[in-house]
Amino acid sequence: AQSVTQLDSQVPVFEEAPVELRCNYSSSVSVYLFWYVQYPNQGLQLLLKYLSGSTLVESINGFEAEFNKSQTSFHLRKPSVHISDTAEYFCAVSPPGAGSYQLTFGKGTKLSVIP
Amino acid sequence: EPEVTQTPSHQVTQMGQEVILRCVPISNHLYFYWYRQILGQKVEFLVSFYNNEISEKSEIFDDQFSVERPDGSNFTLKIRSTKLEDSAMYFCASRVGQGWHEQYFGPGTRLTVT
Repeated sequence: AQSVTQLDSQVPVFEEAPVELRCNYSSSVSVYLFWYVQYPNQGLQLLLKYLSGSTLVESINGFEAEFNKSQTSFHLRKPSVHISDTAEYFCAVSPPGAGSYQLTFGKGTKLSVIP
Repeated sequence: EPEVTQTPSHQVTQMGQEVILRCVPISNHLYFYWYRQILGQKVEFLVSFYNNEISEKSEIFDDQFSVERPDGSNFTLKIRSTKLEDSAMYFCASRVGQGWHEQYFGPGTRLTVT
């Protein structure tokens, strides 16, 4: 079984400041890792994913996340946030290989960007 | 851009009543999912569905829950006799197929049981 811990439930940050949203996971097997974002009144959207290969993955809107196997972490970072980044961010894992790839989520981190 | 849709956006029902939550997955997707999020808690997996049958289900998905794909477009979640603790946001998701890992989520249905 897998579990995901997002250490911060809310993160306020000023516009153009850097941000890091933390995610740690626990699993007895290797996992795929995901960050999803939920804007107000919308569904969950995939922001980025780590399946294999380079441990640093990037999204098209400037976010990046680094898989750290020894620390079992997949923290999300952005060097300079915008007002439009205000949303809730969910870290999730799924087991690789055959199967339904069901997702196990963390509790989410609400990012509030302050003008 | 294709998207997953869910209806209704908000459903209020009385305890003991049956509810059906509806989802229209993306048309060429083969795997379908239901998740729920109780207020203040994690998003939890309920069930996955492939080839017209349940492929996996969680402990939450007991006999009061059922899923169905009644036609080529809809995917429904039925709760037979609702309880207060069923109040939650229910998300539907779909995935293209084997080897494709991204799940596309709908906006959710907020179920309130009174």
